[in-house]
This record gives sequence, C-alpha cells and structure tokens, in this order.
Amino acid sequence: QKEVEQNSGPLSVPEGAIASLNCTYSDRGSQSFFWYRQYSGKSPELIMFIYSNGDKEDGRFTAQLNKASQYVSLLIRDSQPSDSATYLCAVRMGYSTLTFGKGTMLLVSP
Amino acid sequence: GAVVSQHPSWVICKSGTSVKIECRSLDFQATTMFWYRQFPKQSLMLMATSNEGSKATYEQGVEKDKFLINHASLTLSTLTVTSAHPEDSSFYICSAEAGGQDEQYFGPGTRLTVT
Repeated sequence: QKEVEQNSGPLSVPEGAIASLNCTYSDRGSQSFFWYRQYSGKSPELIMFIYSNGDKEDGRFTAQLNKASQYVSLLIRDSQPSDSATYLCAVRMGYSTLTFGKGTMLLVSP
Repeated sequence: GAVVSQHPSWVICKSGTSVKIECRSLDFQATTMFWYRQFPKQSLMLMATSNEGSKATYEQGVEKDKFLINHASLTLSTLTVTSAHPEDSSFYICSAEAGGQDEQYFGPGTRLTVT
C-alpha cells in the first residue's frame, strides 16, 4: 500500500518568514514528486516537481528531495498571506497514478 | 503552463437525474485524464483514469455504471453521474497529463449539489 504522509497542521508562520512543509512516502521505488497548492474551495495548482535528490528552486519556492530518507519538503521563503492554503504532496512511481497526501494547511499571518 | 477547463463550474440537480461534466485540455493533447472527488475538508480521492480511445480504469469502490467516463478525444473527457443522489454531492475535479510528461494539471473543478 503506497502511502504519503503529511502533517495536517495548521502550520502558522508570520509574514516574511520561511515556511517549511514536509512529506514522507512509503514506496522506495517512487520516482516523481510534486507539490500542489489548494486554496479553500478551489482545485489544486501545481507549484513544483522534483525527480532527483537535492534541491530545486523556483522563485520563492524550494523543493528538497532525499530518496534515502524517503522525504520531500517544500520551503517557501518570504511567506505572504496569499500563500495561506493547503499544500498537497504527491508521489508517483513509474507510470502509476499519483498518490496524494492529505495536505498541510499553512497560515501566514500579516 | 498547461490549461485544463471544466464545465459546468457548479450544478444543482434533482435526485434521480443525470449530470454530465466536461473536462478539456486547452493547449495540449491529454493522453490521460483523471477524475477525482473531494468532500469538504477531506483529501482528493481518485475515481478513475481514462486514456483516449479506451475504457476507463476505475478505482476500487467506485461504481463504473454510476460514474460513466468517456475520453472521446485527446482534449475532451466527460464524467456522467447517473441517477444522482444527495450523497453524490461533492467537488469533482479532473486533471490531465500530456503524453511523455509527468505532471498533472487540474481543472477548476465542478461543484455538484443533488437535492
């Protein structure tokens, strides 16, 4: 059974701080890792994907992958109130469907 | 980025009627489309995977005769909720991926209310 675990939160950070969102997965054969953002009442929006160990940066977002520890994280620098949302981690092995975590709610206070 | 549309964005129907939801990839050809359902404050639940020109693959526990999926072209998939009941009220979201690509892009979702 493939599992993706996320802390449900809420994770509260002040505006301007770094938000760190974490995700662990059970399937060691997982190859592709995705972070989606979902605002309340809206559908998920793809933020980043990462395939290789290490860091991948895109603007204020950095995805970090450690396959040995089966761990993927998302860092959001200079957090803004508009970043307040639920962040979904998704994992894929080969051509299988995505397995989603239940999401972490992030609250950024002004 | 890739754009996926859904229509309608919301629909209210009477119990026992059928509702069709369309999902379109606007700027790419989607070899595979996915249908999800999400109840309030719960996580996404994959209902089925559809490939253009072939029958959909349904997840365990999803009634294929109740949720009819047709992926008629590389840009269009439809989900028909047949004989809808109030417990089918939910947020239905499609996603699509292009051939050879790993990323899934989501449509804006359809909120179904069955009265």
